[in-house]
Amino acid sequence: GAVVSQHPSRVICKSGTSVKIECRSLDFQATTMFWYRQFPKQSLMLMATSNEGSKATYEQGVEKDKFLINHASLTLSTLTVTSAHPEDSSFYICSASGLDGRQETQYFGPGTRLLVL
Amino acid sequence: AQSVSQHNHHVILSEAASLELGCNYSYGGTVNLFWYVQYPGQHLQLLLKYFSGDPLVKGIKGFEAEFIKSKFSFNLRKPSVQWSDTAEYFCAVNRPGRRALTFGSGTRLQVQP
Repeated sequence: GAVVSQHPSRVICKSGTSVKIECRSLDFQATTMFWYRQFPKQSLMLMATSNEGSKATYEQGVEKDKFLINHASLTLSTLTVTSAHPEDSSFYICSASGLDGRQETQYFGPGTRLLVL
Repeated sequence: AQSVSQHNHHVILSEAASLELGCNYSYGGTVNLFWYVQYPGQHLQLLLKYFSGDPLVKGIKGFEAEFIKSKFSFNLRKPSVQWSDTAEYFCAVNRPGRRALTFGSGTRLQVQP
């Protein structure tokens, strides 16, 4: 159980276009999902916390108008990179918060590799 | 600000050697601690976690970790590694009121046959 999927797994786009990434919890409901960014050979950096039915909470330095997050249901959160530029190229990973017994645990998706040309 | 340190960036071991990866965190209050593993080309998987209780936590695939509160540490151990343990290992922390995870920089483990 506790499977999280992401779509697409890989996307190449032209500079100036927008890209939407979906994160789904397949076998559990997640009121909270998280979006991380991972640069090559570096750790995961939290971008934002996505709460179902409310606005996302962004980390300092993350532009909310550039990285639009929508969490319309208990199993789906989307991240839209608007007007993408080459510096937005990265590996984007989502996680969904679920309960393992009484312990809240984050389960991670496989990630989406974005390349902006 | 809360931070997580993993001092071993790259570890190379032979099969059957024992493993210990260090993890230290900076937050002084109650914390939840996690170790995740990322095999080549795969997503992050939870190895083990500590919330409370017995400070020695056993996880999957023969891994264990010990929470030492006085040292702010949560080191990962395995008595005998296998080639299939080659992966990137991440220590992570969260705490009440801050559910998002703060990750360490990761340790790349390479096990040679």
